[in-house]
Amino acid sequence: AQKVTQAQTEISVVEKEDVTLDCVYETRDTTYYLFWYKQPPSGELVFLIRRNSFDEQNEISGRYSWNFQKSTSSFNFTITASQVVDSAVYFCAPAASGNTPLVFGKGTRLSVIA
Amino acid sequence: DVKVTQSSRYLVKRTGEKVFLECVQDMDHENMFWYRQDPGLGLRLIYFSYDVKMKEKGDIPEGYSVSREKKERFSLILESASTNQTSMYLCASSLDFLTDTQYFGPGTRLTVL
Repeated sequence: AQKVTQAQTEISVVEKEDVTLDCVYETRDTTYYLFWYKQPPSGELVFLIRRNSFDEQNEISGRYSWNFQKSTSSFNFTITASQVVDSAVYFCAPAASGNTPLVFGKGTRLSVIA
Repeated sequence: DVKVTQSSRYLVKRTGEKVFLECVQDMDHENMFWYRQDPGLGLRLIYFSYDVKMKEKGDIPEGYSVSREKKERFSLILESASTNQTSMYLCASSLDFLTDTQYFGPGTRLTVL
């Protein structure tokens, strides 16, 4: 079974600061997937990234970057030069390859203050 | 773009009522999911379906049932609503595998009085 820990319940930063959201997962599977979702105040979850466990390269998409460390079972998410629009709840979710559903973490609420 | 719609954004019901939450997706996805979201608890999976008329229990199925008579529609049923079912309910769908990316609807905030 997959387990995921997002230890940071809430984070508050000032606009333009960089911020890293932590995600630590547990799995016995050798093949699995890792996801990040954003839930803005409107409530609808927005897909950010899906990563295969065999692909350990870090990913960058604009101000967003993800650091996958298989050795420490972590898949951390960094926002560079944060903006007020980044204020949201962010969820990390692993999924085993044996065709089982995603397991969502409890989320990290990020507040970016102008 | 994938579109997942939910029948209501806000719903208020009374204890003991039968409640139907409807979810429709327009991208011919095989899988559909129902979650509830509560403060401090994140998203918890109630039920999912991997094909028409097929369903599987998630982590918290007690007090709920589901129906999937057509591929595009997945209904969550509260047979006798209780106050502890007051929550945000989120529907999602994914293409082929359960590990495929899930696309979410806007959510239904249900209040049971």
